Amino acid sequence: QQQVKQSPQSLIVQKGGISIINCAYENTAFDYFPWYQQFPGKGPALLIAIRPDVSEKKEGRFTISFNKSAKQFSLHIMDSQPGDSATYFCAAETSGSRLTFGEGTQLTVNP
Amino acid sequence: GAVVSQHPSWVICKSGTSVKIECRSLDFQATTMFWYRQFPKQSLMLMATSNEGSKATYEQGVEKDKFLINHASLTLSTLTVTSAHPEDSSFYICSAAWDSYSYEQYFGPGTRLTVT
Repeated sequence: QQQVKQSPQSLIVQKGGISIINCAYENTAFDYFPWYQQFPGKGPALLIAIRPDVSEKKEGRFTISFNKSAKQFSLHIMDSQPGDSATYFCAAETSGSRLTFGEGTQLTVNP
Repeated sequence: GAVVSQHPSWVICKSGTSVKIECRSLDFQATTMFWYRQFPKQSLMLMATSNEGSKATYEQGVEKDKFLINHASLTLSTLTVTSAHPEDSSFYICSAAWDSYSYEQYFGPGTRLTVT
């Protein structure tokens, strides 16, 4: 019940395209859903996060869509750029608990 | 703000020796710090949670006598890998939070450990 399932495992997108990564969770107690971006040999960096009381959050080219009833959330990267090529992790958390990470998606944006 | 550093960024040690990794919160006081381990092309695996001045809480399957964690101040936590073996080679990442109830964790850049 603590798992967060992430798909796809890898994703290849052309420059300017939309990258979409999906995550699903089971634990309805989760109330914080962050996305992290990780470049090779670096630690993950918080990209954007959402609480379950909103259905969408947008920051620049990055948008989280959240479907509470389906227990799913997704990351959309608009106008994808080669510099966006990285591994993306979704996660979920409740206050005072640990972060539960998805398996990760390796995104490649071709020029 | 919310910068976390790790030292060293990479280390090579011989089998049987011990190595210490430092994690520092540079611009805030971190009551709670976390240590993760990450194998190539895999997700982050939480090893332990430490609160300043308290003993660390280890995740199931993590040997507390092998991975010694000390969180002696609000800005510094250390992970010591004792009697390291090649299978301990991995990418170790720390993160820091204001306190145990904070949602946001700020991650360090990671330390690549290679045991020969």
